[in-house]
Amino acid sequence: GQSLEQPSEVTAVEGAIVQINCTYQTSGFYGLSWYQQHDGGAPTFLSYNALDGLEETGRFSSFLSRSDSYGYLLLQELQMKDSASYFCAVRPRGSTLGRLYFGRGTQLTVWP
Amino acid sequence: NAGVTQTPKFRVLKTGQSMTLLCAQDMNHEYMYWYRQDPGMGLRLIHYSVGEGTTAKGEVPDGYNVSRLKKQNFLLGLESAAPSQTSVYFCASSYSPLEGPQETQYFGPGTRLLVL
Repeated sequence: GQSLEQPSEVTAVEGAIVQINCTYQTSGFYGLSWYQQHDGGAPTFLSYNALDGLEETGRFSSFLSRSDSYGYLLLQELQMKDSASYFCAVRPRGSTLGRLYFGRGTQLTVWP
Repeated sequence: NAGVTQTPKFRVLKTGQSMTLLCAQDMNHEYMYWYRQDPGMGLRLIHYSVGEGTTAKGEVPDGYNVSRLKKQNFLLGLESAAPSQTSVYFCASSYSPLEGPQETQYFGPGTRLLVL
């Protein structure tokens, strides 16, 4: 099976930088995705790393290292509206195309 | 475009009752999915479909059935609801491999189901 580990909670203050880690145990996968979910809302796609390295999208960046079985989501210049849950997800090789496995999520709380 | 819509938004059932959750998408996506989300458990795949007329089981399919009679609709059925099925249900859709990255899934707003 697939195993994705994330911290359950992270807290930070406005304007700070926070890193949410995702470690995984899977034999191979196409890429690592990140989703954001606000309380009571739907998950929304944030980023995707098909290759090792850093992908940047505005204040958010995502990193993947296949050799270390590790990825992270980096949020800079934190704002109150960034308080949400963040999920990493993988699409394993050999699985039915399109099927994602999600981590249990990290609850980010941003304080003023 | 409405994206992915789900009905109903909220429902209370008694044990043993049945119901159908409806998901509709207007993005012409081939692939559609049903997830359930429970506290601390993340998103778990119930069933999915890779095209009209096709369905397949996910991680937690027991107690649920699905149908994809039209490309834009994906129905999730509970034949005999149980308290363990109290959850938030999300529908999602994505492109097929020929059309775009499948890691990008578009989610509906969710259906909150309480089974007493």
